Amino acid sequence: AQSVTQLGSHVSVSEGALVLLRCNYSSSVPPYLFWYVQYPNQGLQLLLKYTTGATLVKGINGFEAEFKKSETSFHLTKPSAHMSDAAEYFCAVTSGGSYIPTFGRGTSLIVHP
Amino acid sequence: DTGVSQDPRHKITKRGQNVTFRCDPISEHNRLYWYRQTLGQGPEFLTYFQNEAQLEKSRLLSDRFSAERPKGSFSTLEIQRTEQGDSAMYLCASSPPAGPIGGGYTFGSGTRLTVV
Repeated sequence: AQSVTQLGSHVSVSEGALVLLRCNYSSSVPPYLFWYVQYPNQGLQLLLKYTTGATLVKGINGFEAEFKKSETSFHLTKPSAHMSDAAEYFCAVTSGGSYIPTFGRGTSLIVHP
Repeated sequence: DTGVSQDPRHKITKRGQNVTFRCDPISEHNRLYWYRQTLGQGPEFLTYFQNEAQLEKSRLLSDRFSAERPKGSFSTLEIQRTEQGDSAMYLCASSPPAGPIGGGYTFGSGTRLTVV
């Protein structure tokens, strides 16, 4: 069984400040991990993913995430928030042969001017 | 190829009516997934196809729901005798044979269903 916990349903930051969105996962086998972004009334867009290899993963729009097996975490960061980063962010995990992703409940990122 | 397409974008229906949604995946993707997303929640898995075979269904997929993927190309999701609780965004995603290693999951823009 696999599951995802995203701590904090809302995160508020000032423009230019560090963004940190938390994700912890549960998986009985080595996981594949994803972060997606969703703008209002849109589908999900892939920000970055971890499959194997380097544990620090760089994605689009300046985001990156680090896979920490010992902490079962895959937190998403961005050094400097931009107004256009305001959106809903979802962490997802998949593993095993069916590769069906399980999503967290999401974190809404609010960026203040 | 412009990605995963879903039709319609919005659907308003009266309770008790049947509705059908269509998803056209990326052409070289053999895996197709349906998810449901309600307000303030993450996407919840409904069902999964590999080519034309429906390999897994969630307990969320009641008897009123049916999905097909004839010939392993586009897919349809039908809801019979709709209820107000069916109001949600229905998302379709596809992935290549290698799944997450091959490129991950590409989502469509979704179909927003409102049952009145």
